Amino acid sequence: QSVLTQPPSASGTPGQRVTISCSGSSSNIGSNTVNWYQQLPGTAPKLLIYSNNQRPSGVPDRFSGSKSGTSASLAISGLQSEDEADYYCAAWDDSLNGKVFGGGTKLTVL
Amino acid sequence: QLQLQESGPGLVKPSETLSLTCTVSGGSISSSSYYWGWIRQPPGKGLEWIGSIYYSGSTYYNPSLKSRVTISVDTSKNQFSLKLSSVTAADTAVYYCARRKVLLWFGEGYMDVWGKGTTVTVSS
Repeated sequence: QSVLTQPPSASGTPGQRVTISCSGSSSNIGSNTVNWYQQLPGTAPKLLIYSNNQRPSGVPDRFSGSKSGTSASLAISGLQSEDEADYYCAAWDDSLNGKVFGGGTKLTVL
Repeated sequence: QLQLQESGPGLVKPSETLSLTCTVSGGSISSSSYYWGWIRQPPGKGLEWIGSIYYSGSTYYNPSLKSRVTISVDTSKNQFSLKLSSVTAADTAVYYCARRKVLLWFGEGYMDVWGKGTTVTVSS
């Protein structure tokens, strides 16, 4: 049972806009910033979004992040087949005094 | 370009100690504002943060693993290491090392460079 809650799966067709949610509490998302990681099949995770809504250089602007209260979201617009991957949210948890991840969302491009 | 490479035994016996090393190339492990850490992923499951270390030796550990984990750093070799004691089958996972950029304080940061990961199986 992950501290941060994500839907196990999401899907969309090429060109569509998809959002993935990440729900937490006042001790994690509610008081700290959220990062998102993309894990393509068989590879290491890659930083996608940091500090709630910042994109590292090289990440397409099709990817965007937002946070409100104790929840965060990752949006992917203009969905492409290469976006098929697992997506994880992460944040620091003040109560646990550790970094926590969501359980991951498997995105399928139909 | 900064690269991280994990190394260590792929098979560890139950109750023994898992030992892994991460070698940093293309940059210095002694850079300020960066911690160096370990994350693992059991087969078919999600990510779990294990802990992180600063070049000075300051550490943060996952409270659920803290009693069994030791992370150390060797700046002369540009390496940092993980030791996980009393392993069981539940410790079977892909282990990643990663660089953590720290912003205002350790909790505010992100892992921006990852190694490719190494698979460790706990079995007799």
